[in-house]
Amino acid sequence: GQQLNQSPQSMFIQEGEDVSMNCTSSSIFNTWLWYKQDPGEGPVLLIALYKAGELTSNGRLTAQFGITRKDSFLNISASIPSDVGIYFCAGQRDDKIIFGKGTRLHILP
Amino acid sequence: DTGVSQDPRHKITKRGQNVTFRCDPISEHNRLYWYRQTLGQGPEFLTYFQNEAQLEKSRLLSDRFSAERPKGSFSTLEIQRTEQGDSAMYLCASSQAGEQFFGPGTRLTVL
Repeated sequence: GQQLNQSPQSMFIQEGEDVSMNCTSSSIFNTWLWYKQDPGEGPVLLIALYKAGELTSNGRLTAQFGITRKDSFLNISASIPSDVGIYFCAGQRDDKIIFGKGTRLHILP
Repeated sequence: DTGVSQDPRHKITKRGQNVTFRCDPISEHNRLYWYRQTLGQGPEFLTYFQNEAQLEKSRLLSDRFSAERPKGSFSTLEIQRTEQGDSAMYLCASSQAGEQFFGPGTRLTVL
């Protein structure tokens, strides 16, 4: 079974608000990944983290690889309507990726 | 666009029937992965190939499931004697020793 705990499960926010979600694991990963999945599509990689403590940005997205290598967070600043979707954290060990259950982001009109 | 493609996108079948899905990876990607995703869950690893060799299989891959990549390019995933619990999205991904790029998936519904 899956080993990652991702929270929150869902979020309802106003456009323009910042978003934060996180992921914890019972085991260590060499790489942390954050994906976004739109309905009817496969996941798309947003950010990859390779070193403990690493903080990486991609536009309005910022993610950090926890110092213990067992956790990571993703922040989205100034949310816009196209940010709606499901965000997955994932840990990679060798060639295998283990996904969290996802955070479903809703933006209120 | 030469991303990962999967066929069919949707499949409805009756319990007990066999189904086969196809994945075409990004050209020259030597690694190909199959995942299964059920509603409200993240994708779960099933198996992967390096070229034509199947290197790892998850315990989720029961005896009714078989995957092949005969020429090291496209891959097929077959499910025999489908059960209602097999209903899921089956995702394929490919990589060249780096980021895995996912296809759009095949949604299977077993009635």
